[in-house]
Amino acid sequence: QSALTQPASVSGSPGQSITISCTGTSSDVGNSNLVSWYQHHPGTAPKLMVYEGSKRPSGVSNRFSGSKSGNTASLTISGLQAEDEADYYCCSFAASSWVFGGGTKLTVL
Amino acid sequence: QVQLVESGGGVVQPGGSLRLSCAASGFTFNTYGMHWVRQAPGKGLEWMAYISFDGGYDFYADSVKGRFTISRDNSKSTQFLQMNSLRHEDTAVYYCAKDNTGWACDFWGQGTLVTVSS
Repeated sequence: QSALTQPASVSGSPGQSITISCTGTSSDVGNSNLVSWYQHHPGTAPKLMVYEGSKRPSGVSNRFSGSKSGNTASLTISGLQAEDEADYYCCSFAASSWVFGGGTKLTVL
Repeated sequence: QVQLVESGGGVVQPGGSLRLSCAASGFTFNTYGMHWVRQAPGKGLEWMAYISFDGGYDFYADSVKGRFTISRDNSKSTQFLQMNSLRHEDTAVYYCAKDNTGWACDFWGQGTLVTVSS
């Protein structure tokens, strides 16, 4: 159950697009479509943004999109807005356990 | 609306025990699996445990297997996390979360702080 690998930080200006990567192995990300992404503003409850790799829950903006290639999943946020500034975590289900990535701090410049 | 309210956190000595509760409302509790996820100070999210909708099976992270036990009482729409043999590294905010049947956590509580300290 090793943590998935995410960049520690990414940044972008309002209106730009950014992509956060999430690298696992052939035992988790590479072997599963069950990757989810969470937005977390410190001190609040995390929020589900993408599940099953690319599906958005009701109420989540279509500016958020998920994809996967091989052992790497990605979250793309288009049209960056100030309120997107938060920590983002990927998570993969595999072999009766879930594993999170280390988290990525998104800064909107 | 879905609400998850955790309780039971506090300060406990190393080697001690604590039982967390999560009261759920706003959805049919007995048809969804439930999770516990924690966040240590300055660290990221860490998945701890999952229990199926009927309590028939459960899964644990290696870091807590054999020390923590997840359970639920569907008659009270409440899930629990019994934590034994607590260590300093178990200090964290513990979140209760609902599974969306797509193996993701679609609703989360506000968390309860557990501090393991002598």
